Amino acid sequence: KAGVTQTPRYLIKTRGQQVTLSCSPISGHRSVSWYQQTPGQGLQFLFEYFSETQRNKGNFPGRFSGRQFSNSRSEMNVSTLELGDSALYLCASSVSGGAGYADTQYFGPGTRLTVL
Amino acid sequence: AQSVTQLGSHVSVSEGALVLLRCNYSSSVPPYLFWYVQYPNQGLQLLLKYTSAATLVKGINGFEAEFKKSETSFHLTKPSAHMSDAAEYFCAVRLGGGKLIFGQGTELSVKP
Repeated sequence: KAGVTQTPRYLIKTRGQQVTLSCSPISGHRSVSWYQQTPGQGLQFLFEYFSETQRNKGNFPGRFSGRQFSNSRSEMNVSTLELGDSALYLCASSVSGGAGYADTQYFGPGTRLTVL
Repeated sequence: AQSVTQLGSHVSVSEGALVLLRCNYSSSVPPYLFWYVQYPNQGLQLLLKYTSAATLVKGINGFEAEFKKSETSFHLTKPSAHMSDAAEYFCAVRLGGGKLIFGQGTELSVKP
């Protein structure tokens, strides 16, 4: 079974631009979560989607948004990029994510975003 | 609020020595706990998880962790370190709705 894939792997943008990152979950997984990883703040939860609905949201500004499609693929968008948005963005998928607290989240390789 | 604390941002051991990475959690309900490993420029890989079935959990690559409720701990151990174990390790607690709360991570170095 193929793992979680994320595209692109690397991205360079300038301040003020917007960016869209894509995540394809493992086949059969319906929950997709997004995390931001930075040296200073560590791994922080952005949001989670399940059946095309945002089910959980972390403490990030409204510039960070996402969506999920009927095939469970997910995208996250960051508008009006700031220097501090430079980070590794990780996507994780699990079977259900909600009722199954013990569901394992499987992570993709991440997208490395650099904002200049 | 649930949280995770990893004691020691850097741990260095010699090859063949015991690996001990510490994790303490704060949770008002029985927790679901995970250990992940991250190699440079890669995503996170699950090592093991605690789901209340057994307090001693065995994972991949010879790692294991013991859940101790009285100490609110979930320390990760490996009897004999290998050079390939050098990586960053994260302890995490699972909240509802697909949200993981991670510790700050422990970077493990293995000396030959």
